[in-house]
Amino acid sequence: SQELEQSPQSLIVQEGKNLTINCTSSKTLYGLYWYKQKYGEGLIFLMMLQKGGEEKSHEKITAKLDEKKQQSSLHITASQPSHAGIYLCGARGVGSQGNLIFGKGTKLSVKP
Amino acid sequence: DGGITQSPKYLFRKEGQNVTLSCEQNLNHDAMYWYRQDPGQGLRLIYYSQIVNDFQKGDIAEGYSVSREKKESFPLTVTSAQKNPTAFYLCASSRDLGDEKLFFGSGTQLSVL
Repeated sequence: SQELEQSPQSLIVQEGKNLTINCTSSKTLYGLYWYKQKYGEGLIFLMMLQKGGEEKSHEKITAKLDEKKQQSSLHITASQPSHAGIYLCGARGVGSQGNLIFGKGTKLSVKP
Repeated sequence: DGGITQSPKYLFRKEGQNVTLSCEQNLNHDAMYWYRQDPGQGLRLIYYSQIVNDFQKGDIAEGYSVSREKKESFPLTVTSAQKNPTAFYLCASSRDLGDEKLFFGSGTQLSVL
């Protein structure tokens, strides 16, 4: 079965610093989704990547999907306290009928 | 405003008791999902529904049941057969089963008394 591994599991950064979160799949990705979750709340969709080499940005968050479509990275520039939360990557499971599988998440804390 | 609503926010279950978590959406989405989230475990799929009166088991369906009598509603019952029900439960919806952009509710934290 397909698995998504995220690294690091948790991250503490000083406000204003850049950071990167990685998501690695055990199989080729046919769509990679990034979500953000605040503690005790639901997930909010950030962006979707489908093509090898694709890169998307939203405000200070940039996500990339590598050419081989097995790894994605999420980069935050000049982090702010509002960026704090849990970041999860999701992808369609190979052979599934629309079920998204998720990584275990990366917990980000931003120190003011 | 369109969205997906879960209730209650917090729920306590006594041993041997069945409890039902509510999930309602007004996004006119066909597909709905229930996920369970445990600390450090990510999200695991319990059940999903492609259309009214149809639903499929996910990866961890044992001890749970669902119904989909209306397009807008997808309640989840945690039965007494679920021996470790303490978790954060998330309901989600999407336009259809092939649409992977999911919209999530704000979750229900279930605890055992």
